[in-house]
Amino acid sequence: AQRVTQPEKLLSVFKGAPVELKCNYSYSGSPELFWYVQYSRQRLQLLLRHISRESIKGFTADLNKGETSFHLKKPFAQEEDSAMYYCALSRNQQAGTALIFGKGTTLSVSS
Amino acid sequence: ETGVTQSPTHLIKTRGQQVTLRCSSQSGHNTVSWYQQALGQGPQFIFQYYREEENGRGNFPPRFSGLQFPNYSSELNVNALELDDSALYLCAISRDSLETQYFGPGTRLLVL
Repeated sequence: AQRVTQPEKLLSVFKGAPVELKCNYSYSGSPELFWYVQYSRQRLQLLLRHISRESIKGFTADLNKGETSFHLKKPFAQEEDSAMYYCALSRNQQAGTALIFGKGTTLSVSS
Repeated sequence: ETGVTQSPTHLIKTRGQQVTLRCSSQSGHNTVSWYQQALGQGPQFIFQYYREEENGRGNFPPRFSGLQFPNYSSELNVNALELDDSALYLCAISRDSLETQYFGPGTRLLVL
């Protein structure tokens, strides 16, 4: 079964500390993976997708097929990074795409 | 900014009633997907519409149905509401069925 697991419900760090939000997946095939972020009182928005290999707001994520992981990392956390983060897997159907989300991790950055 | 809007923002219904939620977007975004997000959970895929046809469905019963109109706006209809249908309902648009999805603000439904 296709599944996305985010093992941490809450991650609390101090400003300037490194951040790693964990994401593991199960999928038979070549996965396409995303990180979405939801800031307080804002809509869910795309942070990055693995095929673009971009660094957005200092965040990066590497797809590790051997460990079936797609952890989100940032070397120095900022207070404005506080938000809910969702890892998602794109499941291609006969036509079209469904996103399978994890339960999310709340990142709290304090000074 | 993709200009995805949803209406209404909040809604209260009672068990057994029917509800219609709406989603609209800019032209050119011909695909709309609907998700249900229960409290403390990630969004769950309900179904997707591409050029007015259903294009994939998640594990939701037939009382969840939808429509997409020629201007690409969409409706989600839920019949015979149950308490467990209380959730945030999100629509997401994309330029094509395989492209990145952009989410609306959601409609929060409470079933009493």
